[in-house]
Amino acid sequence: DIQMTQSPSSLSASVGDRVTITCRASQSISSYLNWYQQKPGKAPNLLIFAASSLQSGVPSRFSGSGSGTVFTLTISSLQPEDFATYYCQQSYSTPPLTFGGGTKVEIK
Amino acid sequence: EVQLVESGGGLVQPGESLRLSCAASGFTVSTYYMNWVRQAPGKGLEWVSILYSGGSTYYADSVKGRFTISRDSSKNTLYLQMNSLRAEDTAFYYCARGLTYSSSYFDYWGQGTLVTVSS
Repeated sequence: DIQMTQSPSSLSASVGDRVTITCRASQSISSYLNWYQQKPGKAPNLLIFAASSLQSGVPSRFSGSGSGTVFTLTISSLQPEDFATYYCQQSYSTPPLTFGGGTKVEIK
Repeated sequence: EVQLVESGGGLVQPGESLRLSCAASGFTVSTYYMNWVRQAPGKGLEWVSILYSGGSTYYADSVKGRFTISRDSSKNTLYLQMNSLRAEDTAFYYCARGLTYSSSYFDYWGQGTLVTVSS
């Protein structure tokens, strides 16, 4: 199975900061990488699919990049509503569809 | 509008069974691949099972042989039959619709239902 590793596991940032989260795959997954946002008590919400495609309705301050084994999710200017946990998920070799361990973005 | 509504969670003892339901509206369950994803309290997401539109099913190793995914097209509902439950199955269980466009991803999720396995 393909393992997904996110870093950092948590970070503290201020409103307006640029935030970058990294996801590494244990083997090449081309661009079969998706990102989700989850707020406390809520279901995850799709942000980015296929590494860099923005899901409809998601603000343009979110962007994704990468291919192969290293991917990044960037929030260009952190907003109060962006404080949440972010997960990457691979769909190159499925099943299983594996998730990263998550990155919690907290208020500094 | 696409909606997924889970039900059937609750408190059960180890070794008991439970069946979760996921009622869908706004689309036809049998024309998409449908998934169950779980999240233990305070932990990350874990994919559990998938049911393809063609009927193929797959399971995470942690639930293989104990859980069964199915659907009822007449009710437009997805199910997860969970047998021989263990304490480590305690989690919020989400159903999620799968879509493939350059990548396979979950574009709609239910609100989740909590399963607690404890004596």
